[in-house]
Amino acid sequence: DAGVIQSPRHEVTEMGQEVTLRCKPISGHDYLFWYRQTMMRGLELLIYFNNNVPIDDSGMPEDRFSAKMPNASFSTLKIQPSEPRDSAVYFCASSLLGPEAFFGQGTRLTVV
Amino acid sequence: AQSVTQLDSQVPVFEEAPVELRCNYSSSVSVYLFWYVQYPNQGLQLLLKYLSGSTLVKGINGFEAEFNKSQTSFHLRKPSVHISDTAEYFCAVLYGGATNKLIFGTGTLLAVQP
Repeated sequence: DAGVIQSPRHEVTEMGQEVTLRCKPISGHDYLFWYRQTMMRGLELLIYFNNNVPIDDSGMPEDRFSAKMPNASFSTLKIQPSEPRDSAVYFCASSLLGPEAFFGQGTRLTVV
Repeated sequence: AQSVTQLDSQVPVFEEAPVELRCNYSSSVSVYLFWYVQYPNQGLQLLLKYLSGSTLVKGINGFEAEFNKSQTSFHLRKPSVHISDTAEYFCAVLYGGATNKLIFGTGTLLAVQP
């Protein structure tokens, strides 16, 4: 398996624009997680899904952030409108039943 | 509140020296414990995990960790480090219960010097 695949790897956008980050989990995994990593706050869990259903979105910072998982092989994290303070590395991770999570290589988002 | 503490933000060490990276978690009846490593511009990779059984856990790249319930600790150790071990190391805890939510520490940068 190719592992968790995220796209794009890098995204530079202007403040106010919509940004969509994409994730393909490992085939067969039933949990999917979105994390954000910044120098100030470290790794934060934003939201996670189980069998495509959002279970806990308490980490989503604002209504500008939304996440979807339309099927078992695809998820998106959308920020609309984006702000400079959203600049971070966003990681997607997936796991099968148990707690061990496999991470993608991340999307580095820069909002100018 | 559930939390994970990595007191050392950075640990400098010379090549071939031993190293210990500290991790403490807030007490709970049931925990699963993990160490992840992050190389520059990469995602996180699992080093080792403790789910149950033996409290001494061996992982990849010669690392090991010991679960100490009385001290609520899960320190990571390696007897002899290499330059290639330079990376950020994250301790993570999954607290027992219905949630599948990993809580990460703030990370420790292991800087191996020649």
